[in-house]
Amino acid sequence: KAGVTQTPRYLIKTRGQQVTLSCSPISGHRSVSWYQQTPGQGLQFLFEYFSETQRNKGNFPGRFSGRQFSNSRSEMNVSTLELGDSALYLCASSLGPSGRSSYEQYFGPGTRLTVT
Amino acid sequence: AQSVTQLGSHVSVSEGALVLLRCNYSSSVPPYLFWYVQYPNQGLQLLLKYTSAATLVKGINGFEAEFKKSETSFHLTKPSAHMSDAAEYFCAVSDDRDDKIIFGKGTRLHILP
Repeated sequence: KAGVTQTPRYLIKTRGQQVTLSCSPISGHRSVSWYQQTPGQGLQFLFEYFSETQRNKGNFPGRFSGRQFSNSRSEMNVSTLELGDSALYLCASSLGPSGRSSYEQYFGPGTRLTVT
Repeated sequence: AQSVTQLGSHVSVSEGALVLLRCNYSSSVPPYLFWYVQYPNQGLQLLLKYTSAATLVKGINGFEAEFKKSETSFHLTKPSAHMSDAAEYFCAVSDDRDDKIIFGKGTRLHILP
């Protein structure tokens, strides 16, 4: 089985722009979670989608949004980019919803976003 | 609510020495516990998970972890460190009551030659 894929792998944007990142989960996985990873804050949960519905959302401003399609592929969007949004954005998929289960998450390689 | 604490943001061990990475959790119901590893410029990879089947869990790359309910701990060990073990390690917890998986802040493991 192919693993979780994320596109693009690297991205450079300027402040004020918006960006869309894409995540294709492992075939058969219905849950997709997004995380932001920075040296200072570590791994921070953004949101999770299961069967096209947002199940959970982390403590991020409304500039961060996401969606999931019927084929379980997911996108996240960040509008009005700020310098502090520079980070590695990780996507993870699992068979079922995270929490309330022992389903492990499978992570993609991440998208490295640099905001200048 | 669940929480997880990883003691030590950086741990250094000599090649061939015992690796011990500490993780303590908080959960009001029996937890599911996970250890993940992240190599440079990569995503996280599952090392092992505890789901109440056995308290000693064996994972990949020679790692294992022991669930100790009385100590609310799930420490990760490896008898003999290898240079390739240098990476960041994350402990995570979920349970049947909460709706999310909680990750610790991570421990960066350095292997000294």
